[in-house]
Amino acid sequence: DAGVIQSPRHEVTEMGQEVTLRCKPISGHNSLFWYRQTMMRGLELLIYFNNNVPIDDSGMPEDRFSAKMPNASFSTLKIQPSEPRDSAVYFCASSSSTYYGYTFGSGTRLTVV
Amino acid sequence: GESVGLHLPTLSVQEGDNSIINCAYSNSASDYFIWYKQESGKGPQFIIDIRSNMDKRQGQRVTVLLNKTVKHLSLQIAATQPGDSAVYFCAEVIPHAGKSTFGDGTTLTVKP
Repeated sequence: DAGVIQSPRHEVTEMGQEVTLRCKPISGHNSLFWYRQTMMRGLELLIYFNNNVPIDDSGMPEDRFSAKMPNASFSTLKIQPSEPRDSAVYFCASSSSTYYGYTFGSGTRLTVV
Repeated sequence: GESVGLHLPTLSVQEGDNSIINCAYSNSASDYFIWYKQESGKGPQFIIDIRSNMDKRQGQRVTVLLNKTVKHLSLQIAATQPGDSAVYFCAEVIPHAGKSTFGDGTTLTVKP
């Protein structure tokens, strides 16, 4: 298994532009999580899905952030419009059960200038 | 000037020594705990887990200890190697929550 696959690995964009981050979870995993990691706040849970359904989006910072999971093998996190304070590393993780831990992707380093 | 950001606990050890990384968790109802290792430029990686009905679990060179009385978790790494240098996170799971709650992390530096 190739693990959790995130794209792109790096993204540099100008303030105000739309940014879309992508994630392919491990086949068979029914839970998917989006995290943001910064020096200021550490690892923050943004949203998680179970069986493609959003369960908890209380961590999504603003309406500028949205996430979708149209099927079991793909999820997107979109920021529109992006702002410099959105600069962070965004991780996607998947799990077959909360009681088996998460498998994280390599992350997308987002820089908004 | 004033520094901003999380002040992660740090631990510096000599290569070959044993390391102990500590974590205080928040919810007495948590019934499952996990340690993750995050190397520079990578995502966190599962190391070892323990359920609340246990107080010790051993893996390869790693041991996790759980003290539910004081809500404390520790990760012991035997014969620490330079490749163990990373940030270590503990995570707790509350039943039916469907998600893990991560701690702030501890930075381990291994000196050759």
